[in-house]
Amino acid sequence: GIQVEQSPPDLILQEGANSTLRCNFSDSVNNLQWFHQNPWGQLINLFYIPSGTKQNGRLSATTVATERYSLLYISSSQTTDSGVYFCAEHISSGSARQLTFGSGTQLTVLP
Amino acid sequence: DGGITQSPKYLFRKEGQNVTLSCEQNLNHDAMYWYRQDPGQGLRLIYYSQIVNDFQKGDIAEGYSVSREKKESFPLTVTSAQKNPTAFYLCASTPGTAYNTGELFFGEGSRLTVL
Repeated sequence: GIQVEQSPPDLILQEGANSTLRCNFSDSVNNLQWFHQNPWGQLINLFYIPSGTKQNGRLSATTVATERYSLLYISSSQTTDSGVYFCAEHISSGSARQLTFGSGTQLTVLP
Repeated sequence: DGGITQSPKYLFRKEGQNVTLSCEQNLNHDAMYWYRQDPGQGLRLIYYSQIVNDFQKGDIAEGYSVSREKKESFPLTVTSAQKNPTAFYLCASTPGTAYNTGELFFGEGSRLTVL
């Protein structure tokens, strides 16, 4: 079946460091999203980025649809960036599309 | 403010009991979804609904039931047939159609513990 793979599974950074998270897809990219899950479990929308590059403050994302991957960049990381980062892609299933999630990257930013 | 409201946030139940989790949205979104998350895992789709009075099974629908009588409401019932119901349940909605779902928005989740 269609797969969404994230790497690395775990990442530990010192505050102020930069990082890159990757999401690979086994099928064409349509409606890709990046989320941050905070320690209370809430999923925060970061980017809706089927293609191209977007930036929001210290975060930016790039999706290369033709090569089936997306990257999330975190610059000057802060302890509040800690949590799990998920990418998700809308995969065709029968007559509709379902959002399929990767297994996430657990980010820990140390003070 | 527009958004998705899930209740209750925390719920305890005894084995053999059914429990219903509420999900309400005032975003005027057509499509709504229920996901389950286990500790340290990603999200898995339980059920989804593209329009009122219609819903489809996701990847792990066994032991769950839903209804979609109103556009803004998509309650999930965890039945006694669900073998491992303890989990974090997330409701979501999107404005789009079946073929172009658009951006997905989540509620804050409901954490169910079976004693």
